[in-house]
Amino acid sequence: EPEVTQTPSHQVTQMGQEVILRCVPISNHLYFYWYRQILGQKVEFLVSFYNNEISEKSEIFDDQFSVERPDGSNFTLKIRSTKLEDSAMYFCASSVLAGGYEQYFGPGTRLTVT
Amino acid sequence: SQQGEEDPQALSIQEGENATMNCSYKTSINNLQWYRQNSGRGLVHLILIRSNEREKHSGRLRVTLDTSKKSSSLLITASRAADTASYFCATVRMDSSYKLIFGSGTRLLVRP
Repeated sequence: EPEVTQTPSHQVTQMGQEVILRCVPISNHLYFYWYRQILGQKVEFLVSFYNNEISEKSEIFDDQFSVERPDGSNFTLKIRSTKLEDSAMYFCASSVLAGGYEQYFGPGTRLTVT
Repeated sequence: SQQGEEDPQALSIQEGENATMNCSYKTSINNLQWYRQNSGRGLVHLILIRSNEREKHSGRLRVTLDTSKKSSSLLITASRAADTASYFCATVRMDSSYKLIFGSGTRLLVRP
């Protein structure tokens, strides 16, 4: 069964460093998303992406964040200058279409900023 | 309560019993989805119910949706120890936003 994959599973970085989290969505899906979950808190939406552009973003997704689909399979989330409060589990998700369709999640990348 | 709030926050049952988790939300929705998350792991999609549906089944799962009360319930029948996990409801609003809005989740413990 096709699944969303994410790398790395765990990333430790120092405050101020740039990180890139990688995702490979399910191959026939057209919509891609990033969510995050701070330990013990709700899963929060960050950004959605369709047709090579951002379709929606939350207040969390400020200038320090960017997304890219550099080729036909990868979808990346970049944090330019990490802060302690960026420590969280980051989930990538994809859906075949948007709105009334299931979003399938990857296993997550645990980002620890020290 | 915020969009997508589950209750109870925690539930402990014996293997073989049924587990019922509830979710309430505030705005009109396109659909509501239930997810399972094992400790520290990813989110597994369980079931999607659309706003024009009232009940849906998948294996041992039964989901109901009452749009007049803005609430949903997830029933797991004949629970197993392997069902131990956190369960989240997530809504997609009726407007043009496609993001999922998650609740705080119910932590289910199924005792063998």
